[in-house]
Parts: sequence; structure tokens; C-alpha cells
Amino acid sequence: EPEVTQTPSHQVTQMGQEVILRCVPISNHLYFYWYRQILGQKVEFLVSFYNNEISEKSEIFDDQFSVERPDGSNFTLKIRSTKLEDSAMYFCASSEQGLVSNQPQHFGDGTRLSIL
Amino acid sequence: DQQVKQNSPSLSVQEGRISILNCDYTNSMFDYFLWYKKYPAEGPTFLISISSIKDKNEDGRFTVFLNKSAKHLSLHIVPSQPGDSAVYFCAAARGSNYKLTFGKGTLLTVNP
Repeated sequence: EPEVTQTPSHQVTQMGQEVILRCVPISNHLYFYWYRQILGQKVEFLVSFYNNEISEKSEIFDDQFSVERPDGSNFTLKIRSTKLEDSAMYFCASSEQGLVSNQPQHFGDGTRLSIL
Repeated sequence: DQQVKQNSPSLSVQEGRISILNCDYTNSMFDYFLWYKKYPAEGPTFLISISSIKDKNEDGRFTVFLNKSAKHLSLHIVPSQPGDSAVYFCAAARGSNYKLTFGKGTLLTVNP
């Protein structure tokens, strides 16, 4: 079964540094998402992306965050200047269609980001 | 953000018995609900969903029930198997939106 792959599985970064988390969505999927889960808390939506544009974002997704689809297969999340509170598990997801009611979102195994 | 609540952090059942996982929501704009299962070190895996126009959806051993007036849904697993042991997340959405709003999850342990 096709799957969403995320690299690296664990990223350790010094506070204030930039970090890029990478995802390869399922190949025929057109909609891409990032979620995060701070330890002990809920999985939270960050952003959705379609046709090279952000289609929806949460209030967490401030100017420090950006997303990009640099080529036909990768989808990246960049955090410009990391803070301690950015430490979390970051999940990438993709779906064939955008509306939740049409297609479930398929998740990768996550990247654990640790900010020191 | 308490829009989706799973009040039981854990549940333990015997193999072969029924597992019932519960979820409550407060946002009446939600019209689509999903259950995801998550094993350690893996991402959430989609299990089953239900639209607000239905009150029941069944897929093999998994059945989701929706009570709109009570803003409550439940996931029934019958019969439960040890491989079902995982964290189960309830998620809700407006069908016209992209984002999922998750509950905190319930850890299900199925004992052999």
C-alpha cells in the first residue's frame, strides 16, 4: 500500500536555527497537510496546501513557518527560527481530494523535532 | 481547544469482547467524523468515518455510531483482538474544510 514518507525521523536543532522537515506524499495525491503533536497534547492542524498555494492555516502557523513543494514529489515544512516550544512530533499527511468528506487524509510516521 | 473530547485516556478489554471508545464534540458545525488508530512510532492510520447525515457506519469489525443531538460518537470493535491495542483518535471536521480537529486519544489495550 502506498504511504507517506517523512525524513528525518528525528531532528535535533539548536534554538534559533532554521529547520526543514521533508515529506514525500502519496504519488497521486494532490492535497498536502502538516500537523504537529506536542508531547502529551492533541494532534493539531498547521496548514493545508493545494496547487502550490496554502488553502487553510491555523493560528499556530505564523510567519516563522512556511511550506513548499519544491519539485513533483517533495513537500517541506520550514521553521525559520526555532523556539523551544516548537519541539513536537510533526506529521505530514496527504489526500487525493481536498474535502475531508471526500477522502481521508493519510499520515506519515512523523518527524520528532527536538529544540535544544 | 476542547472542541473534540475523548474523556477516557485508557481502556482495557479482554480478547474477543467488545471495545467501546467514546468521543464528544462541542462544535455543531462539524459534519464529518473520523477515527484513526495509532501504533507507537507510527503515524495515525485511518479506520472509519461517518457523515452527520448518518447515525451508523460499519466496516468489518468496526462500527461507528453518531448521536447528533448528544454530540457524541462511539467506535465499537467486535470482537477485539490483541492487534487492536493502540491509541485511537477521534477527529472531526466541517466537510467543506480541510483541517481535522483531533481528540487527545484513548489507549486501548486488548488482553489475550
